[in-house]
Amino acid sequence: KAGVTQTPRYLIKTRGQQVTLSCSPISGHRSVSWYQQTPGQGLQFLFEYFSETQRNKGNFPGRFSGRQFSNSRSEMNVSTLELGDSALYLCASSLSTGQIGVGTDTQYFGPGTRLTVL
Amino acid sequence: AQKITQTQPGMFVQEKEAVTLDCTYDTSDQSYGLFWYKQPSSGEMIFLIYQGSYDEQNATEGRYSLNFQKARKSANLVISASQLGDSAMYFCAMRDDTGGFKTIFGAGTRLFVKA
Repeated sequence: KAGVTQTPRYLIKTRGQQVTLSCSPISGHRSVSWYQQTPGQGLQFLFEYFSETQRNKGNFPGRFSGRQFSNSRSEMNVSTLELGDSALYLCASSLSTGQIGVGTDTQYFGPGTRLTVL
Repeated sequence: AQKITQTQPGMFVQEKEAVTLDCTYDTSDQSYGLFWYKQPSSGEMIFLIYQGSYDEQNATEGRYSLNFQKARKSANLVISASQLGDSAMYFCAMRDDTGGFKTIFGAGTRLFVKA
């Protein structure tokens, strides 16, 4: 079974631009989560989608948005890029049956997209 | 409130020896899941092992085992027979009912395996 894929793997943008990152989950997984990882802040949760609905959102400004398509693929968008948005953006998928503590909420991560904002 | 604490920023271990990476968690929920991930320098997060709050036995996956002490709220990762390829960052994570569909991560422990 193919793993989680993310495109592009590397991206260089300038301040003020916008960027769209893509994530394809493991086949059969309907939950997709996004995380931002920086050396200073560690791994921070951005948002989670399930069946095209956002179920939870982290503490990020409205410049960060996402969506999920009917085939479970997800995109996240960052508008008006700032230098501080430079980070590794990780996507993860899970079965997420809604039951916590039974293992179906195990998340599998993609290789990440490394975004550099100049 | 949900919280994951990893108190060891960095650790060294000799090749072929066992090492324990510490993790404590805080939750008021009865249902929760605990995870360990490995992140090599390439950046990809690799799932290692899972422990559910209702599991009575400690989880094991090959050379990885999870020392789950529910009353102490600790979920330490034990790596047996360390290999050079085990050098990486290791993250402890948790998902509980209160947090909804959000997994929180600890700050991580960087493991160095010496030849």
